[in-house]
Amino acid sequence: DQQVKQNSPSLSVQEGRISILNCDYTNSMFDYFLWYKKYPAEGPTFLISISSIKDKNEDGRFTVFLNKSAKHLSLHIVPSQPGDSAVYFCAATAFGNEKLTFGTGTRLTIIP
Amino acid sequence: KAGVTQTPRYLIKTRGQQVTLSCSPISGHRSVSWYQQTPGQGLQFLFEYFSETQRNKGNFPGRFSGRQFSNSRSEMNVSTLELGDSALYLCASSPGQGSFGNTIYFGEGSWLTVV
Repeated sequence: DQQVKQNSPSLSVQEGRISILNCDYTNSMFDYFLWYKKYPAEGPTFLISISSIKDKNEDGRFTVFLNKSAKHLSLHIVPSQPGDSAVYFCAATAFGNEKLTFGTGTRLTIIP
Repeated sequence: KAGVTQTPRYLIKTRGQQVTLSCSPISGHRSVSWYQQTPGQGLQFLFEYFSETQRNKGNFPGRFSGRQFSNSRSEMNVSTLELGDSALYLCASSPGQGSFGNTIYFGEGSWLTVV
């Protein structure tokens, strides 16, 4: 039972354009959501998070949007840069819980 | 500040053997979580230890076990290895008390191949 889903295994975007990565969840107990970025042979690194009391959180080029009614969140990267090429994981948890439930990841490729 | 250290980085084992992986968390962190990453499955939660006690557990068979020592270092053990256990095993370290996403740090992982 995949409680967090990333339905696009891969995405290619032109450098300078917007990258939009999507994530859906099914468990209503989740109230805190995170995005991680992973390069090959490295551990995931935290990118940005959002609490269910918000519908948007921004950090530089990264913005996460949360639609609680649709149980959907998205990560926007503007503008996309070659260094953004990596696998992006969406994760969800109940706030304060160390257990993260991850999606299967989306491989983002930025085309120069 | 030193990061999360996992050893060994790479190992090859034979079916039926057992393996022990080690994780040294960031100094001061009391929570250590373990995840398994396989192609197409994302990262799946194995278990979490806080102050030497298992606090959370995922849906893995009893062949997967772990422990945490008084210095917060953790080990996980997989017994009777199966081919399907081939994966990247990731350790995550956090302060452990209401951690936010930006206080959870992952190690580089241990690549296990079972032949």
